[in-house]
Amino acid sequence: AQSVAQPEDQVNVAEGNPLTVKCTYSVSGNPYLFWYVQYPNRGLQFLLKYITGDNLVKGSYGFEAEFNKSQTSFHLKKPSALVSDSALYFCAVREEQAGTALIFGKGTTLSVSS
Amino acid sequence: EPEVTQTPSHQVTQMGQEVILRCVPISNHLYFYWYRQILGQKVEFLVSFYNNEISEKSEIFDDQFSVERPDGSNFTLKIRSTKLEDSAMYFCASNPGRPLFGSGTRLTVV
Repeated sequence: AQSVAQPEDQVNVAEGNPLTVKCTYSVSGNPYLFWYVQYPNRGLQFLLKYITGDNLVKGSYGFEAEFNKSQTSFHLKKPSALVSDSALYFCAVREEQAGTALIFGKGTTLSVSS
Repeated sequence: EPEVTQTPSHQVTQMGQEVILRCVPISNHLYFYWYRQILGQKVEFLVSFYNNEISEKSEIFDDQFSVERPDGSNFTLKIRSTKLEDSAMYFCASNPGRPLFGSGTRLTVV
């Protein structure tokens, strides 16, 4: 069965510094990987996904994620954090078969200080 | 960008009552999902729906839950007899390629 681990409950960075939110996964076959962001009292907003191709995926709001097959990781990154990036970030994985559900990590709270 | 719409945004119900949560998925999508998020916890998969039937469900989705797409537009989640532990945020989503989520319904069981 597939699973996702987000080892950090919270990540704190200063505005302007690079940020990384970690994610590792376990899935049979080729992984379909996703990052979502959730602002307080809001739904889940899609940031980016990896299915195949380049290991570095670019997404919304300047975020990118690096797929590493050997380490089974899909870390979310941004070169320069903004205070407005402060939110809850979820990594998710699904199997290759069409229509299978996303399995989410427990989430990482990103706090960007000014 | 098209949106997944959920109603109501917040529902309070008494324990033992039935509730129906409604979702209008994006019109040309074929796969539909319900997830829930208990306050402060991770997002959990409940059920997926394709071609007018359940295609996958989790162990959370027991006999008190049901889904249907009654009119080809709305996609509903029914909880037959609510329990306190059903209090959560319920999200609808559609499209497996890039799942788009609604803004959720906060269900409070008292």
